[in-house]
Amino acid sequence: GAVVSQHPSWVICKSGTSVKIECRSLDFQATTMFWYRQFPKQSLMLMATSNEGSKATYEQGVEKDKFLINHASLTLSTLTVTSAHPEDSSFYICSASGPGPDSYEQYFGPGTRLTVT
Amino acid sequence: TQLLEQSPQFLSIQEGENLTVYCNSSSVFSSLQWYRQEPGEGPVLLVTVVTGGEVKKLKRLTFQFGDARKDSSLHITAAQPGDTGLYLCAGGPGSARQLTFGSGTQLTVLP
Repeated sequence: GAVVSQHPSWVICKSGTSVKIECRSLDFQATTMFWYRQFPKQSLMLMATSNEGSKATYEQGVEKDKFLINHASLTLSTLTVTSAHPEDSSFYICSASGPGPDSYEQYFGPGTRLTVT
Repeated sequence: TQLLEQSPQFLSIQEGENLTVYCNSSSVFSSLQWYRQEPGEGPVLLVTVVTGGEVKKLKRLTFQFGDARKDSSLHITAAQPGDTGLYLCAGGPGSARQLTFGSGTQLTVLP
């Protein structure tokens, strides 16, 4: 149980284009979903927190107009990187927590490697 | 701001050796999770500890939560190459169920 998928697993795009990354909880309803960014050999950096049906809460320094997050249902959240630039190249990971008694646990997707050329 | 410091940051050992990774904070956490992440993949939850002084074992891995719930340790006995990965501790939950992640320990077990 507690499986989270991400799509695509990797994507290459040209500078100036937009990329959408999907995060799905496959076998549970995710009350809250999180989006992280990770650089090589480093820990996770929280970008934003989203709850189903409401606007995402962005961490300080994360541009909300550049990283659009939509949490349209209890099983799907999307991250759209708009007008991507090479410095946006990174490993993006989503996680989800459910409404149950173990809701403090987060279950992670496999990540999406974004390369902007 | 809650911070979690992990040590060591990097660890390279031979197969069969024992090791301990530490996760320390000045803040109290209601729960603490340990994750392992392999290159190109998302972190995988290993264990959650919620009670001060709690000890949990997962095969050759032993996890302990400090009595004051400010620190935790992960001990691996007879490490194997398959244990190689980035180990992350995470404390929480904070507001909006957020977790505070430690700085990570990159473990390499050489055959």
